[in-house]
Amino acid sequence: EAGVAQSPRYKIIEKRQSVAFWCNPISGHATLYWYQQILGQGPKLLIQFQNNGVVDDSQLPKDRFSAERLKGVDSTLKIQPAKLEDSAVYLCASSSGGAGAPHTQYFGPGTRLTVL
Amino acid sequence: AQSVAQPEDQVNVAEGNPLTVKCTYSVSGNPYLFWYVQYPNRGLQFLLKYITGDNLVKGSYGFEAEFNKSQTSFHLKKPSALVSDSALYFCAVRDLRSAGNMLTFGGGTRLMVKP
Repeated sequence: EAGVAQSPRYKIIEKRQSVAFWCNPISGHATLYWYQQILGQGPKLLIQFQNNGVVDDSQLPKDRFSAERLKGVDSTLKIQPAKLEDSAVYLCASSSGGAGAPHTQYFGPGTRLTVL
Repeated sequence: AQSVAQPEDQVNVAEGNPLTVKCTYSVSGNPYLFWYVQYPNRGLQFLLKYITGDNLVKGSYGFEAEFNKSQTSFHLKKPSALVSDSALYFCAVRDLRSAGNMLTFGGGTRLMVKP
């Protein structure tokens, strides 16, 4: 079974530029998550999708971050404009079952973003 | 609100010795608890979880964890450490009452196993 795919693996941009990350979850997984992991910290949830609907985006900085999952499969996370403090690893995860179920989340390899 | 504490930034153990990585949690209701491991430049890998039932949970690679409700702890253990167990370990909790499946992670504990 293929795991969660993410691209690119690495990205370096200047501050105020925009950037997008892509995630393809495990086949059949209805729930998709985006996490931000700053160096030396644990991952922090940014947004959770159930199919193509948003379940939780309470920790997403909506003035600069946006995410979509239009067809309920793959997803894109965008930052516009980027700030220095956005430098982090962006992890995508997916799980089967409904939004409220405690299903195990499986993580992709992440995208390491460096903002200069 | 839900939170997780991993009180040790780093744990050092000799190969062959038992290891313990500590985790305590705080939730309003009953917790779902998880342990993940992260190797360099890789995503998080699931080790084990506690949902309900037996307080001793067995997981991948010989790891186990014990849920202790009175002490609000979920420590990760392994009887005999391997050098290859050296990695970053994260404990995570989800409150049973939360609508989504939001996990709150601890800050991580680096495990160093020396030959």
